[in-house]
Parts: sequence; C-alpha cells; structure tokens
Amino acid sequence: DAGVTQSPTHLIKTRGQQVTLRCSPKSGHDTVSWYQQALGQGPQFIFQYYEEEERQRGNFPDRFSGHQFPNYSSELNVNALLLGDSALYLCASSLGGGGEQETQYFGPGTRLLVL
Amino acid sequence: LAKTTQPISMDSYEGQEVNITCSHNNIATNDYITWYQQFPSQGPRFIIQGYKTKVTNEVASLFIPADRKSSTLSLPRVSLSDTAVYYCLVGDPSGNTGKLIFGQGTTLQVKP
Repeated sequence: DAGVTQSPTHLIKTRGQQVTLRCSPKSGHDTVSWYQQALGQGPQFIFQYYEEEERQRGNFPDRFSGHQFPNYSSELNVNALLLGDSALYLCASSLGGGGEQETQYFGPGTRLLVL
Repeated sequence: LAKTTQPISMDSYEGQEVNITCSHNNIATNDYITWYQQFPSQGPRFIIQGYKTKVTNEVASLFIPADRKSSTLSLPRVSLSDTAVYYCLVGDPSGNTGKLIFGQGTTLQVKP
C-alpha cells in the first residue's frame, strides 16, 4: 500500500520563475491538501482539492494555484516566485465525503529554494 | 478551528515518560483533538486522535479531561528517535473542511 509521494524532493529556482510540484495520494484516498512550511514554523494550509475542484483555500495569493487529476493526483503551481516562497511544501491526502474522522497523511515534502 | 497553546520545547532523557500538554480553551462541541509528530525535513505523521477521556494506541496515550479545554499527549519510555516536533490540533474532522491549523508545536529533545 503506497503512501503519499511527492516530486521532486528538492528544487532550486530564481525569483520570477514558475514551479510545479507534484503529489500522488495514498492508495484509496481522493482528497489532496497542500501546505507550506517555512523553517521553524508549523505547516500553513494552502488549499484542498476534492473531485478535481478546489474545495477550500487558505490565505495565499493567486500566484499559488493547483490542479487535481482524475486519478486523484495533484499539482501545485507557484508563479512569479519570491524569495519568501522558499519552504518545504507538503502534500497530504485523505478520504473525502465527511462523516468519518478524516485523518490526513502527509508526504515527505518538496524543499523549494528560491534564489 | 480552535487555537491551541503548547510549550515551545521540552527536554527528556531516554526511558522516561514524557507528557506534553496542550490548551484549547475554545474547543467546539464537534472538535476532535489530534496530535502529529514531525521529524526534520519530513511530513507530519499522525500519532493519535481523541474526543474525550483516554485513548491509547501502540505509540502513545491521549488524556482529555471532562471539560476538554486541554489534552495531554503521553509518550511512554521515550528513546532518542522520539526527538521531534509534536503538534496539537483541534478541529471537526467530519466537517469536510480538511483544513488543519498547525501552531509552532513542541520541540521534544530526548537526551541519552
């Protein structure tokens, strides 16, 4: 039973560039959430995708966008990168639909460095 | 989602029991309490979740008093590999919000 996987593991970009991060959810899960974790801080919620639509969004600018595919995998896109976007980006998967304890399982993250 | 307050850091020694307390004075009726563990450069890992009284699994125990305004994560006989950041979260897992709100967590340092 595969867990949550993310790619790439590390990435270096320069200011103004665009980046795409990828996530495959845990087998059987249909919901993907993305978090940004700056050094020394707890993860901050970016958005969540369910049934290929953005279901909820945190306090992040429109430069952050996402997509969910029919196989439930997801992408996070960040445009016009800023130095402050340097962080660990975490993907978490869960089973949507509600009514049950919706434990989220996290992937190992993608470390993004913006120079 | 309710805010939580927990100590920034704690030190312990191998073999000791560690108790990390979390305050959540504004917890709502439908909220559950969930603890995550995170090692450096890894994603958080679910440890335990509870609603009231006591919950125990193979990793930890969670104690929740009757008023539910606080909770205590208990780690029995810690080892060096338990050195990590521990996050306490409260929220309604059935509300389809899926939005976990993390604080700064408690950094636990286990010494030999």
